[in-house]
Amino acid sequence: DTGVSQNPRHKITKRGQNVTFRCDPISEHNRLYWYRQTLGQGPEFLTYFQNEAQLEKSRLLSDRFSAERPKGSFSTLEIQRTEQGDSAMYLCASKGDSANSPLHFGNGTRLTVT
Amino acid sequence: ILNVEQSPQSLHVQEGDSTNFTCSFPSSNFYALHWYRWETAKSPEALFVMTLNGDEKKKGRISATLNTKEGYSYLYIKGSQPEDSATYLCAFSGNDYKLSFGAGTTVTVRA
Repeated sequence: DTGVSQNPRHKITKRGQNVTFRCDPISEHNRLYWYRQTLGQGPEFLTYFQNEAQLEKSRLLSDRFSAERPKGSFSTLEIQRTEQGDSAMYLCASKGDSANSPLHFGNGTRLTVT
Repeated sequence: ILNVEQSPQSLHVQEGDSTNFTCSFPSSNFYALHWYRWETAKSPEALFVMTLNGDEKKKGRISATLNTKEGYSYLYIKGSQPEDSATYLCAFSGNDYKLSFGAGTTVTVRA
C-alpha cells in the first residue's frame, strides 16, 4: 500500500490554458473522489467514480471541468480555459466499498492561475 | 446540495482542558458519518467512520458519538495537547455514497 498519489504537487498556469491533474488511488480501492479546497473552507465535492463509472458530478462545476477514470485505475481531472477563480487545492481520495471504509487522501495538487 | 454544518468554526483550548464540537447533517438517507483530522501541509487523516445510530468510537483521547435520527455527531478531545491543534472535518455519506464535507472546526491548543 503506497497510498494515494497525486501529480503534479503544484501547477502555475496562465488564464485560458488547459491543465490536467492525475490521481493514482490505492490499488484495491474501487471508489475515487475529487474535491476542491479553498482557504477557510472544507473540501468541496467535485465528482466521484466507482471503478470506471462516474457516478456524480457536482452541479456547481462548469463544463470546463471533466474527469475520467479509464479502466478503473488512475483518474485525471482536466480544467479547460482556466480562470483565476479555479485557483485552489485539488484533492483526490480513494476508499474501499464497505460503509466503514474511510477516505485515503493524496497530498493534493495546488493550482495557481495567473 | 447537502448541508453539513460544523460548529464552532474555530476554538482555542488551554492545554489540559477538554473540548467538544458538533457536526450536523441531513437525518434522511443516512449511510455513514466520517471524522478527519487535517493538519497544516498534510493530507486529511481519518479518525472515525460511524454507521449506526448511537455509535460511540474512541481513539486515544479523542472520541465521537453519533445520532442519526436527529442528524448530529459530537467529537470530544479529552485533556487537549498542542499536537491536537488541527482542523477537524466531518463528512456525511448518503445512500448514493457521495461524501460531503463540512467547513471544519479549527482547534488551537495553547500551551
